[in-house]
Amino acid sequence: DGGITQSPKYLFRKEGQNVTLSCEQNLNHDAMYWYRQDPGQGLRLIYYSQIVNDFQKGDIAEGYSVSREKKESFPLTVTSAQKNPTAFYLCASSSRVEGYTFGSGTRLTVV
Amino acid sequence: LAKTTQPISMDSYEGQEVNITCSHNNIATNDYITWYQQFPSQGPRFIIQGYKTKVTNEVASLFIPADRKSSTLSLPRVSLSDTAVYYCLVGAMNRDDKIIFGKGTRLHILP
Repeated sequence: DGGITQSPKYLFRKEGQNVTLSCEQNLNHDAMYWYRQDPGQGLRLIYYSQIVNDFQKGDIAEGYSVSREKKESFPLTVTSAQKNPTAFYLCASSSRVEGYTFGSGTRLTVV
Repeated sequence: LAKTTQPISMDSYEGQEVNITCSHNNIATNDYITWYQQFPSQGPRFIIQGYKTKVTNEVASLFIPADRKSSTLSLPRVSLSDTAVYYCLVGAMNRDDKIIFGKGTRLHILP
């Protein structure tokens, strides 16, 4: 079955550490996205990529970085510059025909 | 990108029909209206999409008036499992465009 896979499901980060969240899709979608969701809030766009080797900042890109070396993969790195990284992170992909498909999310906690 | 406005929360009872209205006054000619459902700690999932008039699938109906400045998601005979957050999104699905998620409508179904 085609889908989008995020890993890990839960992640713990120490102060000052960088961590990388994985997102892989086998839907052959060109566009991929990273969103952050805080408790009781909507989704806020961190970064998005419409094509391999290209990506754009979303509304809250500070403290995050991404890469898009392959069509299937769009990893998100939460750097030590992100002062409040505890949140639920969602990855999505989209196509012109099928719309958005979301992963099951990664819950990141700073310890 | 068209901005959307939805009620923050709604309560209903099992077995009733629930209608959630979304306002999108500056919808563009090429924009579609799409609704997503999100359960806690999961990614949003597609419910229904439409352009005009009425669309129905096995889960819901979507009513769009002629001026397309609003839309109504209708959930027939809701159950406790329909308790979730519902997002109304407006965008041109014929291109890989970043779409802004608002806070959605938190629907609470009571027994």
